[in-house]
Amino acid sequence: QSVLTQPPSASGTPGQRVTISCSGSSSNIGSNTVNWYQQLPGTAPKLLIYSDNQRPSGVPDRFSASKSGTSASLAISGLQSEDEADYYCATWDDSLNGWVFGGGTKLTVL
Amino acid sequence: QVQLQQWGAGLLKPSETLSLTCAVYGGSFSNYYWSWIRQPPGKGLEWIGEINDSGSTNYNPSLKSRVTISVDTSKNQLSLKVKFVTAADTAVYFCARGGAAFDIWGQGTMVTVSS
Repeated sequence: QSVLTQPPSASGTPGQRVTISCSGSSSNIGSNTVNWYQQLPGTAPKLLIYSDNQRPSGVPDRFSASKSGTSASLAISGLQSEDEADYYCATWDDSLNGWVFGGGTKLTVL
Repeated sequence: QVQLQQWGAGLLKPSETLSLTCAVYGGSFSNYYWSWIRQPPGKGLEWIGEINDSGSTNYNPSLKSRVTISVDTSKNQLSLKVKFVTAADTAVYFCARGGAAFDIWGQGTMVTVSS
């Protein structure tokens, strides 16, 4: 059971906009910034979003994220087949004094 | 360009000690936290712990009693040891550069625990 809660799956057709939610608590999302990672099959995760809504260099602006209270969300617009991957949210937890991840969301592009 | 290269034994028997090393190439080892993260087959990511160049550590409470993370700054390397492994420790293990986020990852090492 992950500390952060994500839907196990999401899907969309090419060109659509999809969102993935991440729910936590006051000790994690409520008091620390959220990062998002994309993991393509058989590869290491890649940082997609940091500090709630910042994109590292090279990440397309189709990817955006937001946070409100103890929840965060990742949005992917103009969905492409190459976006098919697992997506994870993560943040620091003050109670556990460590990093926590969501269980991951498998995105399928139909 | 910073790269992380990791290595270690891939097959262990129950009760043995898992030992992995991660080397940092092309960048500074200082002023960052360096983490170990694992992923059981078909499952999500689990943070194991972190260390900085001064040797200050934080561990996942669920693993703390069995885990040691150390650093060799002269070689720009960090190491992970997990004692008394069981089948539940079977996973791909990643090292990653941390701080505000895990922005650079190693390639991952599959570790299987089986009798």
